[in-house]
Amino acid sequence: ETGVTQSPTHLIKTRGQQVTLRCSSQSGHNTVSWYQQALGQGPQFIFQYYREEENGRGNFPPRFSGLQFPNYSSELNVNALELDDSALYLCASSWGGNTEAFFGQGTRLTVV
Amino acid sequence: QKEVEQNSGPLSVPEGAIASLNCTYSDRVSQSFFWYRQYSGKSPELIMSIYSNGDKEDGRFTAQLNKASQYVSLLIRDSQPSDSATYLCAHEGNAGNMLTFGGGTRLMVKP
Repeated sequence: ETGVTQSPTHLIKTRGQQVTLRCSSQSGHNTVSWYQQALGQGPQFIFQYYREEENGRGNFPPRFSGLQFPNYSSELNVNALELDDSALYLCASSWGGNTEAFFGQGTRLTVV
Repeated sequence: QKEVEQNSGPLSVPEGAIASLNCTYSDRVSQSFFWYRQYSGKSPELIMSIYSNGDKEDGRFTAQLNKASQYVSLLIRDSQPSDSATYLCAHEGNAGNMLTFGGGTRLMVKP
């Protein structure tokens, strides 16, 4: 167990809807990164939050947005869901400049 | 060319053998490299990190890094059926602390 928790574990949404995924970082970690993992592929970086500010973003459209709260927990919001958004969404926490990142159990999102 | 290349496998080894997993990367600036293990339906689990050229050993695992050749590998000694999983190679990318992953190599250890 990494101490990183995500909710919900599974979610089914309809195309066009909006979804919010949540992540609680490991104690002592101030950085949260979000990744999307399609079936059979490696995780793809969405964005990172450090001390409540976005600290880097991957090649994802603006309908993917996020927040980090003072307790370093984080949310990932996806608007206007598309079928291709179906994936495992992973949250990873780390401490500042230490890039060893530890993943939560993930949220499996299915868009129908 | 993908930033991080891994053979997708499956790599099949008998129980007790050495499994050798390889990874090449294109970003010469990368300083930090990681191996994650991912069981089917689960999230990635960090098993090794390596930052300087040479070998780093941790139990049955040895990570090897050659920055001149842009190559990193993972050796698993005395492979066990429980080692059967997908192994993901990753390095620190160029956008802060983001990780860039390869597609993973599926390892099968046969009893």
